[in-house]
Amino acid sequence: EIVMTQSPATLSVSPGERATLSCRASESVSNNLAWYQQKPGQAPRLLISGASSRATGIPARFSGSGSGTEFTLTISSLQSEDFAVYYCQQYNYWPPLTFGGGTKVEIK
Amino acid sequence: QVQLVESGGGLVKPGGSLRLSCAASGFTFSDYYMSWIRQAPGKGLEWVSYIGPSGTTIFYADSVKGRFTISRDNAKNSLYLQMNSLRVEDTAVYYCARDGGSYSPLDHWGLGTLLTVSS
Repeated sequence: EIVMTQSPATLSVSPGERATLSCRASESVSNNLAWYQQKPGQAPRLLISGASSRATGIPARFSGSGSGTEFTLTISSLQSEDFAVYYCQQYNYWPPLTFGGGTKVEIK
Repeated sequence: QVQLVESGGGLVKPGGSLRLSCAASGFTFSDYYMSWIRQAPGKGLEWVSYIGPSGTTIFYADSVKGRFTISRDNAKNSLYLQMNSLRVEDTAVYYCARDGGSYSPLDHWGLGTLLTVSS
């Protein structure tokens, strides 16, 4: 099973600032990596697939990078609606599909 | 647009059974792989099960293998999860999600349905 590790667990950022979230895989998952956003009481929403491709309707301030075992989600200028929990997920080796533990982005 | 609506959650005693449903619309259901994912209260996401378009390819997480059964009815655009021998640790919001298949993410999710297992 591929273990996904996200850091930090919580990130405190001021509106307008840049946020950088990390995700590490226990072994290479190539670029088969997705990022999801989840707001309280809502379902997860796909942000990024293929490590760097934004899903339909996702603003350009969200960008993904990396391949192999190290991945990054960057939010260039945080808006109020971006405060949420973010999960990475690998879909290179499955079953099982595996998720990271999440990074909560909170208002500083 | 793509819509996934789960139903069937509720309160069940340990050892009990329940069947969850997921009604799909806005896409050709029979073309897609589908997954169930769960989220325990205050916790992260855990993949539960996966079914291929025809229903012949099925996988389960080790935590539910032998207790849960995934199925689908393409004529009714519906996905199901039969859950038996329920445990307290199965308590979670259960989401159905559309899966693009091999090397694809979970691109649409339902709002989820809450299962509580408690005596």
